[in-house]
Amino acid sequence: QTVVTQEPSFSVSPGGTVTLTCGLNSGSVSGNNFPSWYQQTPGQAPRMVIYDTNSLSSGVPDRFSGSIIGNKAALTITGAQADDECIYYCVLFMSSSGALLFGGGTRLTVL
Amino acid sequence: EVQLVESGGVLVQPGGSLRLSCAASGFTFSRYWMSWVRQAPGKGLEWVANIEHGGDMKYYGDSVRGRFTVSRDDAKNSLYLEMTYLRVEDTAVYYCARTVSSRGRRPDYFDHWGQGTLVTVSS
Repeated sequence: QTVVTQEPSFSVSPGGTVTLTCGLNSGSVSGNNFPSWYQQTPGQAPRMVIYDTNSLSSGVPDRFSGSIIGNKAALTITGAQADDECIYYCVLFMSSSGALLFGGGTRLTVL
Repeated sequence: EVQLVESGGVLVQPGGSLRLSCAASGFTFSRYWMSWVRQAPGKGLEWVANIEHGGDMKYYGDSVRGRFTVSRDDAKNSLYLEMTYLRVEDTAVYYCARTVSSRGRRPDYFDHWGQGTLVTVSS
C-alpha cells in the first residue's frame, strides 16, 4: 500500500525559514506526481498554496515556494509569519492508478 | 467568485445510505473535473472520488470503491455523492472541490473547496 509521508510537526521562529517535506513509503517523488500543498486552519476548508511542484496559487504570498529536494517534494516558507501557523497537507498524483493521495499533514507552529 | 456549497450531511445508521450534493457557481461547471474529499474528526484529509467534465470518467479511493458513486448534473451545476453501506469509519466532513489538471489528462490538484458537510454514521 502506497503511503505519503510528512513530518507530524515542525516549529519555526517568526521570520525564520522552514522546509516541510512530502515523500513516499516506497519510491521517490518526482514532478510526474504533480505535488500540491494545502493549508488548513481549525474548522476551515483547506486552501491551496502550491500546485504542480512549484507553481504558487493565486493570492498566496511569495514567501511560499515548492520544489523537489532529493526524493521528496518540499514546501519552503521564507520569513515565516504568525498566520502561517496551521496544518499543511501535500497531495501526490499516482499515475498508475490516477489516485490522489494525501499525506498525513504537518502541524506547523510559529513561535 | 467560485463558490461550492455542500449539503445533505446528517446522522445515519451503519448500513444506511445517503446522498450528498454540491452546488457550484461562479465558473463554468461543465468544463471542470470535480472531486469529493473527506476528513474524519481530528484526522487528515482523504480523497474520495472524482468525475470528469461530461461525467463519463469516474475514479474512486480504495476505501469507498464499490459503495460510493459520484455523479454530476451540468445543467444544474451540481455534483453528487451517493453513499451506500455506510460504516462508522465513513463519519467525516465531506468537501466538494474543483479539480484541475496541471499538464496531463487526469486532474492533480484541488484549487477551490467548499466548506463541507458533516456525515455521522452511528447507531
